[in-house]
Amino acid sequence: AQKVTQAQTEISVVEKEDVTLDCVYETRDTTYYLFWYKQPPSGELVFLIRRNSFDEQNEISGRYSWNFQKSTSSFNFTITASQVVDSAVYFCALSEVIQGAQKLVFGQGTRLTINP
Amino acid sequence: EAGVAQSPRYKIIEKRQSVAFWCNPISGHATLYWYQQILGQGPKLLIQFQNNGVVDDSQLPKDRFSAERLKGVDSTLKIQPAKLEDSAVYLCASSLGSYTGELFFGEGSRLTVL
Repeated sequence: AQKVTQAQTEISVVEKEDVTLDCVYETRDTTYYLFWYKQPPSGELVFLIRRNSFDEQNEISGRYSWNFQKSTSSFNFTITASQVVDSAVYFCALSEVIQGAQKLVFGQGTRLTINP
Repeated sequence: EAGVAQSPRYKIIEKRQSVAFWCNPISGHATLYWYQQILGQGPKLLIQFQNNGVVDDSQLPKDRFSAERLKGVDSTLKIQPAKLEDSAVYLCASSLGSYTGELFFGEGSRLTVL
């Protein structure tokens, strides 16, 4: 069965520090997708990135970067030079296609607080 | 482009009462999802529709929860009778299809059962 573990329940850092959010997943499938979503206080989950299981290249988007390592079943997310606006709950998610339909399973989330 | 619309945003009821939540997905999105997010936890899929057919409802407590998606557009999620443990945010999401991966979420409907 699919499982996503975000061991860090809460992280608090001072603005401009770099911070890494960990994500470890379990799946028996060879084809799957990994995601990160951001949930600000408004409650709406915002899509950040999708990565398929065949693409292990790291990705950078501005201050955000993602490190995908199949060997350790991890998909970690790093924010460089954090800002107060980055404060939110971040969810890692795993998707498999089962019987023609995508099934998305979320981790427990990491609450990130950036202090000024 | 309008996002996923949900209503009501907040609802407070007493246990054993009933409640209904409404979702209007992004126009053209074939797949619609209802998730339950209990405080401090990640969203848990309750039911997934592809057009107006149910794709996955394995985690829907069918003795008290029901959902429908008439005409493959809007959807309603109903709870009857509600229990204290149903207190949560109910999130609706939609996507173009089953394989696209990117789900667009609404702001959610927060339910408090007293």
